[in-house]
Amino acid sequence: DARVTQTPRHKVTEMGQEVTMRCQPILGHNTVFWYRQTMMQGLELLAYFRNRAPLDDSGMPKDRFSAEMPDATLATLKIQPSEPRDSAVYFCASGLVQGGSPMGGHEQFFGPGTRLTVL
Amino acid sequence: KNQVEQSPQSLIILEGKNCTLQCNYTVSPFSNLRWYKQDTGRGPVSLTIMTFSENTKSNGRYTATLDADTKQSSLHITASQLSDSASYICVVSARRGGADGLTFGKGTHLIIQP
Repeated sequence: DARVTQTPRHKVTEMGQEVTMRCQPILGHNTVFWYRQTMMQGLELLAYFRNRAPLDDSGMPKDRFSAEMPDATLATLKIQPSEPRDSAVYFCASGLVQGGSPMGGHEQFFGPGTRLTVL
Repeated sequence: KNQVEQSPQSLIILEGKNCTLQCNYTVSPFSNLRWYKQDTGRGPVSLTIMTFSENTKSNGRYTATLDADTKQSSLHITASQLSDSASYICVVSARRGGADGLTFGKGTHLIIQP
């Protein structure tokens, strides 16, 4: 069955290292979202793409985070350099938006997440 | 400032009982409200999406209500099952969109006991 996949599922790294997280959206979906979840802050939207173009990344720390969609089947979220406060679960979600805002009443399907620990 | 407050923070009920989770928001201008279920170690799964004109929406044993005047929503779970044990997250979108147009509640942690 169709589902969003994310790799790696777990990542432990040291402060200062580069981290790349990957997401494969559901085939045919045109919108991809990146979220971060921590115990303290809960869920936060970092960035989202529509038809591979970045629409909004205002939720993302610009100096160290970058998000791209090299093609329709791959979205990446990169942190360089990583810091301990980046430790969180990072979720990717995809959806099919045929009109209006991606934040409208459109279903989003979440991946299983990447649990990142920065020591 | 846009806010979403969920209550209770946590809830324990016996299997077979009903329960109601609350979500109060101050997001404006309102676009839609979503309820998600998140099992431990998994991504959120959408239960309902409600727009301004909808005041009740059901998904199996889950029924969400929305009162746009008082800016309150509730999620009612009927005849709870062990598999309902999860966190339930309320998310409200503002019509202006963008990452700052999305406000998340901290969730209600629900435990169903046999």
